[in-house]
Amino acid sequence: NAGVTQTPKFQVLKTGQSMTLQCAQDMNHNSMYWYRQDPGMGLRLIYYSASEGTTDKGEVPNGYNVSRLNKREFSLRLESAAPSQTSVYFCASKSAGSDTQYFGPGTRLTVL
Amino acid sequence: QQQVKQSPQSLIVQKGGISIINCAYENTAFDYFPWYQQFPGKGPALLIAIRPDVSEKKEGRFTISFNKSAKQFSLHIMDSQPGDSATYFCAASKGSGTYKYIFGTGTRLKVLA
Repeated sequence: NAGVTQTPKFQVLKTGQSMTLQCAQDMNHNSMYWYRQDPGMGLRLIYYSASEGTTDKGEVPNGYNVSRLNKREFSLRLESAAPSQTSVYFCASKSAGSDTQYFGPGTRLTVL
Repeated sequence: QQQVKQSPQSLIVQKGGISIINCAYENTAFDYFPWYQQFPGKGPALLIAIRPDVSEKKEGRFTISFNKSAKQFSLHIMDSQPGDSATYFCAASKGSGTYKYIFGTGTRLKVLA
């Protein structure tokens, strides 16, 4: 099992550009999450999907959209990137019968 | 609003020493408290977790102490090793299907050889 995979690993955007961060899990998990990690701020929840077909806002959703494409895949879209969105983005997943979230390796995004 | 406060921000410990990281929470509805370990360039990985029905949980050199009345919990790393050098995050969540975590701000631990 690859676990949780994220693409790309690194990305540089100019202000106003758009992009989609991809996440996939092969553990048959129901719930998936997107976090951003900033120095001194810990990890903050952007959006989550409790199950296929549902999505909900987390703590810091402004400027982002998500799509739960199927049970395996959960994408995060930045429609018009801003320098404040420079961060490391982590995707995570969790099975219905467990308390534990499993994290991907992250995407380091820089917005100039 | 920060609901989980973590301290210290950084910690330097000699090899063989005890590392202690503390967290405090505000929401009494939280009922699951995991600790995650993160190495540079990697995603966080679950280290150990506890529920409020016990005051302590031990797994190898790692122990969580939980004080429900004080709304505090801490991670103790016994016999700290250079390989333990990483960033540690505490988190808290409420019992629900999605288990949304609220994370602390992290502690960067360095164990000197």
